Amino acid sequence: GENVEQHPSTLSVQEGDSAVIKCTYSDSASNYFPWYKQELGKGPQLIIDIRSNVGEKKDQRIAVTLNKTAKHFSLHITETQPEDSAVYFCAVPYKLSFGAGTTVTVRA
Amino acid sequence: DAGITQSPRHKVTETGTPVTLRCHQTENHRYMYWYRQDPGHGLRLIHYSYGVKDTDKGEVSDGYSVSRSKTEDFLLTLESATSSQTSVYFCAISEGGTNQPQHFGDGTRLSIL
Repeated sequence: GENVEQHPSTLSVQEGDSAVIKCTYSDSASNYFPWYKQELGKGPQLIIDIRSNVGEKKDQRIAVTLNKTAKHFSLHITETQPEDSAVYFCAVPYKLSFGAGTTVTVRA
Repeated sequence: DAGITQSPRHKVTETGTPVTLRCHQTENHRYMYWYRQDPGHGLRLIHYSYGVKDTDKGEVSDGYSVSRSKTEDFLLTLESATSSQTSVYFCAISEGGTNQPQHFGDGTRLSIL
């Protein structure tokens, strides 16, 4: 599969602060980029996705940005809350590949 | 939540034994996938199916086989389990192909002693 680089691998933020996770990919033919959230003991759940015809998409406190030229996309979580603590994965479905995951911890 | 059921949810078995994991969906989605999840590796694709009796290999297919005899069921078989196959296995489904989101089951934790 495609090598999808996801950074950072762990992220600790104070409640109310923002969190940003970035993924890079290599195949320029990729045109759909989802983000998943995985809570303990559960399967990953889709939280937001973006297609290559737009540069940004928002859903309440979550946003995804895409830079097709640079081949990277990022997840932004604003006003973080304790329930945002989880593992987050980016994916490049065109290559059936996932990033290695980011463990986000929100400190109260 | 998407109607995906994985069974069993937990299994402990011995090296050399055959193991079959089942994924059952009620969404009538065409695509089904098997992944394994290991620390530091994220989700790695084992096999996937794009229709009844249509399957293809993923990144880590060695030692695994799959079958899909009807739309709703996708079986993953370890013919002779090894300790390196100890992992959490996830099934996923999608309505379309690589431009559609995947929906995941809650996983099977498999331990091979």
